[in-house]
Amino acid sequence: EAQVTQNPRYLITVTGKKLTVTCSQNMNHEYMSWYRQDPGLGLRQIYYSMNVEVTDKGDVPEGYKVSRKEKRNFPLILESPSPNQTSLYFCASSFVGMWTGELFFGEGSRLTVL
Amino acid sequence: DQQVKQNSPSLSVQEGRISILNCDYTNSMFDYFLWYKKYPAEGPTFLISISSIKDKNEDGRFTVFLNKSAKHLSLHIVPSQPGDSAVYFCAASEGAAGNMLTFGGGTRLMVKP
Repeated sequence: EAQVTQNPRYLITVTGKKLTVTCSQNMNHEYMSWYRQDPGLGLRQIYYSMNVEVTDKGDVPEGYKVSRKEKRNFPLILESPSPNQTSLYFCASSFVGMWTGELFFGEGSRLTVL
Repeated sequence: DQQVKQNSPSLSVQEGRISILNCDYTNSMFDYFLWYKKYPAEGPTFLISISSIKDKNEDGRFTVFLNKSAKHLSLHIVPSQPGDSAVYFCAASEGAAGNMLTFGGGTRLMVKP
């Protein structure tokens, strides 16, 4: 089954404790990205990657890091989480060529930073 | 400042009636527009799209209308069904590239039986 898998789905942590949210896709997509969803603000892009070893900042990159060592994986790293990073996070992927606008999203990871 | 706005946070309609979800944008460079649908505890899924060279695109019960001069698009669902109850996100893109997508804040649609 074609899918984007995120883990963990739910996480409560404390300020300053490093955490990683993993994302894996099995569709051989070149493009992967991370979004956060906050009430009234919709989905805002954090980082994206057009291919392996290529990453770029989105609209709200502060406080986050990413890496793309393999095509299928795109982990999101919060080195020192703060309460303002409490949010619902989505990983997404798509092909780069002949893009139709369709991003494939994971089911989301709800993060609470106390 | 948000470049894509959905001014109605929520909308309630009766089953069988038409649902109209609206979206406004400010960036005249946007040339591709999409709607995504999101159920609770799931990721958004692509619903329908329209290129700026068109003013209408249909897919079954879903139709998207684009008014470029007004920088406005709308999604019509006819007839509305209870299973359509979800949050709908409007998105716009400068060119055909995933990294260029900008999303609106979303509208929660509730279809009452």
